[in-house]
Amino acid sequence: AQRVTQPEKLLSVFKGAPVELKCNYSYSGSPELFWYVQYSRQRLQLLLRHISRESIKGFTADLNKGETSFHLKKPFAQEEDSAMYYCALSGSGSSNTGKLIFGQGTTLQVKP
Amino acid sequence: DTGVSQNPRHKITKRGQNVTFRCDPISEHNRLYWYRQTLGQGPEFLTYFQNEAQLEKSRLLSDRFSAERPKGSFSTLEIQRTEQGDSAMYLCASSFPLIGEKLFFGSGTQLSVL
Repeated sequence: AQRVTQPEKLLSVFKGAPVELKCNYSYSGSPELFWYVQYSRQRLQLLLRHISRESIKGFTADLNKGETSFHLKKPFAQEEDSAMYYCALSGSGSSNTGKLIFGQGTTLQVKP
Repeated sequence: DTGVSQNPRHKITKRGQNVTFRCDPISEHNRLYWYRQTLGQGPEFLTYFQNEAQLEKSRLLSDRFSAERPKGSFSTLEIQRTEQGDSAMYLCASSFPLIGEKLFFGSGTQLSVL
């Protein structure tokens, strides 16, 4: 079964602390992995995707196929990082229809 | 605003009534997706179109749900004989098909069935 699991509903950290939002997945094949973010009163938007290997707003995520994980990390949290974060996967290659399977989401709260 | 547009933003209806939502994707995007999101959950895939063809429907999409994209541009999602369990945020997204494509989401239509 295709599934994305985000075990934490809420992660609360102080400004300047490191952040790690956990994501585990189940997929038969080689998925594409994404992190989407929704800031307060804004639309859901792409934060980063594993194939780009890019760092956006200081966030990085490494795909660990052995552990089937795609955790999102940032060394020093900022108050403006407070938002809802969703991990998502899609098929790759000929299986890539663009359809995303989302996790339940983790609310990141960065306290001053 | 050249992003994905959804109307209405909010819809309150009585159980048993029919409702229709509209989504206008970004103009050059030929893929269009519908998702449903309930409180505390991530978006759940409902269906998607490539141009005017509906290529996949989730098992979540009962016979009361129908989606169309007649000219490959805007799309409508209709729910017939609404039930209280249909109350949710209905999200539309569009994309242009490249490997690892990025979905652009609309603001959603919040449906409340009384």
